[in-house]
Amino acid sequence: QTVVTQEPSFSVSPGGTVTLTCGLSSGSVSTNYHPSWYQQTPGQAPRTLIYSTNTRSSGVPDRFSGSILGNKAALTITGAQADDESDYYCVLYMGSGIWVFGGGTKLTVL
Amino acid sequence: EVQLVESGGGLVQPGGSLRLSCAASGFTFSSYAMSWVRQAPGKGLEWVSAISDGGGGTYYADSVKGRFTISRDNSKNTLYLQMNSLRAEDTAVYYCAKVPDSLGHCTDCLRYFDYWGQGTPLTVSS
Repeated sequence: QTVVTQEPSFSVSPGGTVTLTCGLSSGSVSTNYHPSWYQQTPGQAPRTLIYSTNTRSSGVPDRFSGSILGNKAALTITGAQADDESDYYCVLYMGSGIWVFGGGTKLTVL
Repeated sequence: EVQLVESGGGLVQPGGSLRLSCAASGFTFSSYAMSWVRQAPGKGLEWVSAISDGGGGTYYADSVKGRFTISRDNSKNTLYLQMNSLRAEDTAVYYCAKVPDSLGHCTDCLRYFDYWGQGTPLTVSS
């Protein structure tokens, strides 16, 4: 069974830079998995941030960027702001119409 | 403006059935795949099911395979999720999400969720 891994929690100072990662329990994440990233605050629907590894969704500030770092997908927030404090989820497309979400990272900005 | 509005959630006893609906507007519904994603209380997002643009391809997470059926009515711009043999662990908010391609053959595939509904809650409890 494929498990997509994310850091459970992360902390960043206002104005700082943080990189969240998205890995596989077995194997490496590549662009072939079409990694995408979503931001969610409590009680709200997810918001699409990044798709196809590194393309920002419409309206997403350029302080959010996506990449492949080593064997993982990565979401980098440069110049973190207080309202970036949210849960962040990656999802990988496994092929054949199947997706698997990571467990999510709770980001604290303090 | 793309809108996805889920409905049909509620309280169901274990072993029961329920059908969720997602009414879509603001885009050509029949041209895009759709998906259901759920979130149990205090937990993360879990992909549940997807369906191709024409409905000929349906896909399920192992956790719901054989119990849930995804379908769509392109004449009504509506996505459905028929849920049978419900269990306590199916308790969640269910979101419908649009996939910005058909899930067919493609060269520049877009395999992600570009729009989300606000979700409909399901509680499975006696």
